[in-house]
Amino acid sequence: GENVEQHPSTLSVQEGDSAVIKCTYSDSASNYFPWYKQELGKRPQLIIDIRSNVGEKKDQRIAVTLNKTAKHFSLHITETQPEDSAVYFCAASRGFGNEKLTFGTGTRLTIIP
Amino acid sequence: GAGVSQTPSNKVTEKGKYVELRCDPISGHTALYWYRQSLGQGPEFLIYFQGTGAADDSGLPNDRFFAVRPEGSVSTLKIQRTERGDSAVYLCASSPSSTGSPPTEAFFGQGTRLTVV
Repeated sequence: GENVEQHPSTLSVQEGDSAVIKCTYSDSASNYFPWYKQELGKRPQLIIDIRSNVGEKKDQRIAVTLNKTAKHFSLHITETQPEDSAVYFCAASRGFGNEKLTFGTGTRLTIIP
Repeated sequence: GAGVSQTPSNKVTEKGKYVELRCDPISGHTALYWYRQSLGQGPEFLIYFQGTGAADDSGLPNDRFFAVRPEGSVSTLKIQRTERGDSAVYLCASSPSSTGSPPTEAFFGQGTRLTVV
């Protein structure tokens, strides 16, 4: 089955700097890669996703890149703010009838004011 | 509310007891998922429903776990003879995607925190 690895497990960044979180996956049939943000005691919420026919996607301060050949994808947050502090999870699925998400182990991001 | 609703929010039960966890998905969402999240870990897939049928139950850890969705809306996750290792947050998610269509966002509920003592 699919295996998703995520690094780093913790990340501290000065406010205003950029943060990068990286994930690798094992199943070459995976073609949907969402990123979820989870604040303490709250539900995971989608912040951005990318499908395999796209190499990069951007939404304001957040961007995701995908390298299907190398089987890795990354989350980039620019101009970080204190409210960006949370745990971030990457995930992968095949979609198209096989919808289960395999999640990474999470990255605890702390923005230092 | 328009989001995914899970009840109860917290459940404490004694080892060996039976528990039921309920999920109300977003109205009209055909796909429903159950995940389990242990402390410091990512959600772990348990089972996926498309309509009333379980399309993929490969994540259920053993036969003590069972889930139903009889009318294609509300789902119940059932755990028999609970063990201390079952303690975790059980998350439900729903999405409008259907078999053969491109994947879409899965919306998560707040979860049920299950503690087995």
